[in-house]
Amino acid sequence: GNSVTQMEGPVTLSEEAFLTINCTYTATGYPSLFWYVQYPGEGLQLLLKATKADDKGSNKGFEATYRKETTSFHLEKGSVQVSDSAVYFCALRADSWGKFQFGAGTQVVVTP
Amino acid sequence: GAVVSQHPSWVICKSGTSVKIECRSLDFQATTMFWYRQFPKQSLMLMATSNEGSKATYEQGVEKDKFLINHASLTLSTLTVTSAHPEDSSFYICSADITSTDTQYFGPGTRLTVL
Repeated sequence: GNSVTQMEGPVTLSEEAFLTINCTYTATGYPSLFWYVQYPGEGLQLLLKATKADDKGSNKGFEATYRKETTSFHLEKGSVQVSDSAVYFCALRADSWGKFQFGAGTQVVVTP
Repeated sequence: GAVVSQHPSWVICKSGTSVKIECRSLDFQATTMFWYRQFPKQSLMLMATSNEGSKATYEQGVEKDKFLINHASLTLSTLTVTSAHPEDSSFYICSADITSTDTQYFGPGTRLTVL
């Protein structure tokens, strides 16, 4: 079946540091890939997505590239801020009407 | 962007009572909505898929008689936790599909505490 594996947290960084959160997936076919962010006590917000191989999703300084050859969708940001502290979820959707498969989530803590 | 609201944002109830949580798509019509449960520091667990005008599809292990789902219109789905017990305490999150896209939009969640 489909699955998503992402690096365990918490990831603790200083402000302006470079952030990478690894995400790999297992799926048949060509799933769409997503990153969602969850701030404390809130629901999930779509951060970015990519729907086919080599697509790059980007938003708010975050980027992720859909790599089919390595089945990966790693999230990166060049310079994090304290406000980026949150839990980040990698997810895939096998087709437009299918269920989402979420990773376990990675907590990111950014200190001043 | 698409907005999904939930009401209430938090609720505290006594054991044995029933609690209804509403999920609304505010600026779009959602033929399909999803209900998730999230335990502290864990990922989301899909409970059921709710289709407008038809019965919900429950995931394995989810009690359909305990978690009643109704999707009476294209903008509203409700989750009723019947005869709630402390082990039902959790964060419940709904999401909605926008037709012809593959993106789900999530509500802000409802914190249920059963005493």
